[in-house]
Amino acid sequence: DTGVSQDPRHKITKRGQNVTFRCDPISEHNRLYWYRQTLGQGPEFLTYFQNEAQLEKSRLLSDRFSAERPKGSFSTLEIQRTEQGDSAMYLCASSWQFFGPGTRLTVL
Amino acid sequence: RKEVEQDPGPFNVPEGATVAFNCTYSNSASQSFFWYRQDCRKEPKLLMSVYSSGNEDGRFTAQLNRASQYISLLIRDSKLSDSATYLCAVNSGGQNFVFGPGTRLSVLP
Repeated sequence: DTGVSQDPRHKITKRGQNVTFRCDPISEHNRLYWYRQTLGQGPEFLTYFQNEAQLEKSRLLSDRFSAERPKGSFSTLEIQRTEQGDSAMYLCASSWQFFGPGTRLTVL
Repeated sequence: RKEVEQDPGPFNVPEGATVAFNCTYSNSASQSFFWYRQDCRKEPKLLMSVYSSGNEDGRFTAQLNRASQYISLLIRDSKLSDSATYLCAVNSGGQNFVFGPGTRLSVLP
């Protein structure tokens, strides 16, 4: 257990629905990352927060994706109008060293 | 060409063998390098950072070759518990860590 938690661990949704994932990083860490990982690939960077400020976003993060980190503590990642191609493991990392267990999203 | 490349394997080796993986990167401005281990259906776990002078942690040795733009991971006296996927990650500035697709290792009894 790295001390990073993610909720939910699994999410099955129908195409077109909105989903929101939560990440609770290690409390004293001010850097938080979101990644997406599909089978047979390494994690792909989505976005980075330093405290509450979202400082970097990948081109992968289309306008259907939004992430927040209010008060610089937990973070949420929302996907609107989900598509089958969004099916993946969504990983949160506290600092660059500690990954959470991930949220596995399946879009039917 | 992908920014970070790895041989996907699988590498099947007997217990006690020495095995080495390479990871090539395309951005010559890359500054930081890491090896992670990922077990099936689990999150990646940082194994070690890779320093310019090379570094060792027990049975694991990491090296960086800037001229040829690759990093390597050597595992000596491999154990059954070393079976996993080994991911390299490269940072070229900013906070975007680019991961390779991983190399799968199976250590056989």
